[in-house]
Amino acid sequence: KAGVTQTPRYLIKTRGQQVTLSCSPISGHRSVSWYQQTPGQGLQFLFEYFSETQRNKGNFPGRFSGRQFSNSRSEMNVSTLELGDSALYLCASSFWVGDEKLFFGSGTQLSVL
Amino acid sequence: AQKITQTQPGMFVQEKEAVTLDCTYDTSDPSYGLFWYKQPSSGEMIFLIYQGSYDQQNATEGRYSLNFQKARKSANLVISASQLGDSAMYFCAMREFLSGSARQLTFGSGTQLTVLP
Repeated sequence: KAGVTQTPRYLIKTRGQQVTLSCSPISGHRSVSWYQQTPGQGLQFLFEYFSETQRNKGNFPGRFSGRQFSNSRSEMNVSTLELGDSALYLCASSFWVGDEKLFFGSGTQLSVL
Repeated sequence: AQKITQTQPGMFVQEKEAVTLDCTYDTSDPSYGLFWYKQPSSGEMIFLIYQGSYDQQNATEGRYSLNFQKARKSANLVISASQLGDSAMYFCAMREFLSGSARQLTFGSGTQLTVLP
């Protein structure tokens, strides 16, 4: 069965632009969470959705937002990009929030110039 | 205080030998789960093993086992019979269940494992 699919794989943007990243969870999974990974800060939690509702939110500015659709696919949006937003953005899916089986996608590598 | 601590930034192991990657955690909640993930250079986080705080036995998944010492708050990953393909970054993570509500995963800083031929 297909794993977690994240698109695009790579993105290059300039400061001030906005970007939308997409995540398609494993079939049947209804929980999707997003993480930012940088060499300096490591892996940091952004937000988690279940059945189209945001269940948990990390400590990121309001420029970072997300949503989940009725088919469980999720998108995250970053507006007014800053150089520090350059990171690998990872999406993970599971059947429900708190499920021990949590599977990640390959990530979207965002570079902000 | 750091919730997850991985004190070994890098580790080397000879092929076919066993290796232990350290992880200690900090929580006051009695209900939590501990995870180990492997991240090769491709970037994908690969789930390896899970241990619930109420699980009586140490978790095992093939060549991976989790040495869970609750009193010491440690959850070390043991990889037996190392293979060259095991070379990767390994992350320990914890999910707390505060008042019955699942919180997000908190990750450690990772250990870069290199398997030598």
